[in-house]
Amino acid sequence: DTEVTQTPKHLVMGMTNKKSLKCEQHMGHRAMYWYKQKAKKPPELMFVYSYEKLSINESVPSRFSPECPNSSLLNLHLHALQPEDSALYLCASSQDRRRRTYGYTFGSGTRLTVV
Amino acid sequence: AQSVTQPDIHITVSEGASLELRCNYSYGATPYLFWYVQSPGQGLQLLLKYFSGDTLVQGIKGFEAEFKRSQSSFNLRKPSVHWSDAAEYFCAVALMDSSYKLIFGSGTRLLVRP
Repeated sequence: DTEVTQTPKHLVMGMTNKKSLKCEQHMGHRAMYWYKQKAKKPPELMFVYSYEKLSINESVPSRFSPECPNSSLLNLHLHALQPEDSALYLCASSQDRRRRTYGYTFGSGTRLTVV
Repeated sequence: AQSVTQPDIHITVSEGASLELRCNYSYGATPYLFWYVQSPGQGLQLLLKYFSGDTLVQGIKGFEAEFKRSQSSFNLRKPSVHWSDAAEYFCAVALMDSSYKLIFGSGTRLLVRP
């Protein structure tokens, strides 16, 4: 299995809702990431988990709450979002850098619309 | 600070013509460099990557890229473009510190004329 699977593919939520985005990989990767991508822009890093521990939070508002329950799963919990949070949310994973096959694998994303 | 620059926002080529997309990076050490492609509304697909060794790297879909340390460049090339190559292309550099960060360029949108 060489994929990163993200669910749901599309999500519409109100500003008072609570929802979660899910990401799963079975490649044995020990680093996992959340990126946010606005239209016509490159992906922007939000969070990095390394060996199931949060290693980077790029000053993301607390209405986004990441969780890494195990080495294969990554969640992004959403609460009280704003319309400007509407974007494509991408999950990625990578191996340890010491391996020759090092690289990042991205999921197909969740298209989030906040109304 | 580390950065990646893609100077061309849009490029239009005719189907069958050759293609070169430019990428320049700013990083103190030898970087890990990547090219990704993204179709509208989709995730990112890895085209190729460079870590060390041979500076000409072959990727999927007939793409190749050449690492030139003296020019801090990692340009993407394809000898003959197909209509299905129309997409957004991102160059990226992985930081070799403990952060595991992947820094993206601003992207180049490729349009293909029939």
